[in-house]
Amino acid sequence: DTAVSQTPKYLVTQMGNDKSIKCEQNLGHDTMYWYKQDSKKFLKIMFSYNNKELIINETVPNRFSPKSPDKAHLNLHINSLELGDSAVYFCASSQYLGLAGAGNEQFFGPGTRLTVL
Amino acid sequence: KQEVTQIPAALSVPEGENLVLNCSFTDSAIYNLQWFRQDPGKGLTSLLLIQSSQREQTSGRLNASLDKSSGRSTLYIAASQPGDSATYLCAVIYSGAGSYQLTFGKGTKLSVIP
Repeated sequence: DTAVSQTPKYLVTQMGNDKSIKCEQNLGHDTMYWYKQDSKKFLKIMFSYNNKELIINETVPNRFSPKSPDKAHLNLHINSLELGDSAVYFCASSQYLGLAGAGNEQFFGPGTRLTVL
Repeated sequence: KQEVTQIPAALSVPEGENLVLNCSFTDSAIYNLQWFRQDPGKGLTSLLLIQSSQREQTSGRLNASLDKSSGRSTLYIAASQPGDSATYLCAVIYSGAGSYQLTFGKGTKLSVIP
């Protein structure tokens, strides 16, 4: 069984459109994350949710809005897509937000490659 | 602001060699450090997690060390195999601006030549 899954795997869309990427984890984890990997392969955290509550919100345009209907899901909605949004977006989860605790590894999904034309 | 640097950016070795990948970070007040591998076009796979109170972790042919005071971590791969070819990423988790922060290095691309 896939631990962290994302859909779709590839997303190609026109500038100005609104799109969503879904993420689900079946690990029973409390914390979920969204990361963006740019063309230079640099990974940067965007958001972190713990038990459906926003914990980390890095400097991300407000066109990006995470939605967590329950602690197993963290979806990413992007409005008015721009060319610079083209990247690979990764979802991840960890058991809890106690980052100083034992074994709190982050598990990543396979990524969604977004291409904005 | 925490900065994570990985050296070298790329490394090519013949099969069977032992090798070391380096990761350095500027702020030593970290909670933990995690090593990942990323295969081309794929997601990240967690390799090892070292808590701030630990000095090393081992998994199979992999050994990761952590020296908080000097802001360094190394990933040692023994008896390298072509299947080890991937990009290896180091990430540190620390507290900043009233919340948890996580920063990745840019990775080391490893090629193991058969």
